[in-house]
Amino acid sequence: GAVVSQHPSRVICKSGTSVKIECRSLDFQATTMFWYRQFPKQSLMLMATSNEGSKATYEQGVEKDKFLINHASLTLSTLTVTSAHPEDSSFYICSAREGPRTGFFGPGTRLTVL
Amino acid sequence: GENVEQHPSTLSVQEGDSAVIKCTYSDSASNYFPWYKQELGKGPQLIIDIRSNVGEKKDQRIAVTLNKTAKHFSLHITETQPEDSAVYFCAASMGEKLTFGTGTRLTIIP
Repeated sequence: GAVVSQHPSRVICKSGTSVKIECRSLDFQATTMFWYRQFPKQSLMLMATSNEGSKATYEQGVEKDKFLINHASLTLSTLTVTSAHPEDSSFYICSAREGPRTGFFGPGTRLTVL
Repeated sequence: GENVEQHPSTLSVQEGDSAVIKCTYSDSASNYFPWYKQELGKGPQLIIDIRSNVGEKKDQRIAVTLNKTAKHFSLHITETQPEDSAVYFCAASMGEKLTFGTGTRLTIIP
């Protein structure tokens, strides 16, 4: 149980375009989902917390207008990187909360911006 | 906010030997301490967790110990195997948010 999927697994885009990443909880309802960014050989940095049906809460230093998060249902949250630039290239990972347990992670999405 | 330190950053262990990774946390209110294994190009996988009302937890070759007074917790892997090679992260939480350690790259030498 507690399986989280992400799509796509990797994406390459041109600078200035927008990219949408989906995060789904497959076998449970996730009232809260989290989005992380991980640069090579570094730890996971929390970007934002999203709750179903409400606005996401962003961590300090994360631009909410650049990283749009929509938690449309109890099983789906999306992260849209708007007007992507090379410095946005990173590994984006979502996780979901199931009841009192948190930290069930998706497989990650590798974003490369040319 | 919470701050989690993790040591060592790299660890090489002969196959069959034990590996120990240690973490310290700063916020005494933290009450949930999971450990994750991350393989190259994949998301973190929860391998074991412990709550603050428990001092030790074991699952086959993996064990975690927690010292609330000293605010540190450790991951112990016994009888290591090549497939244990990965990056391991500790984390601490007192609510929804997880604060991660900096990671330990574990290499098992055949």
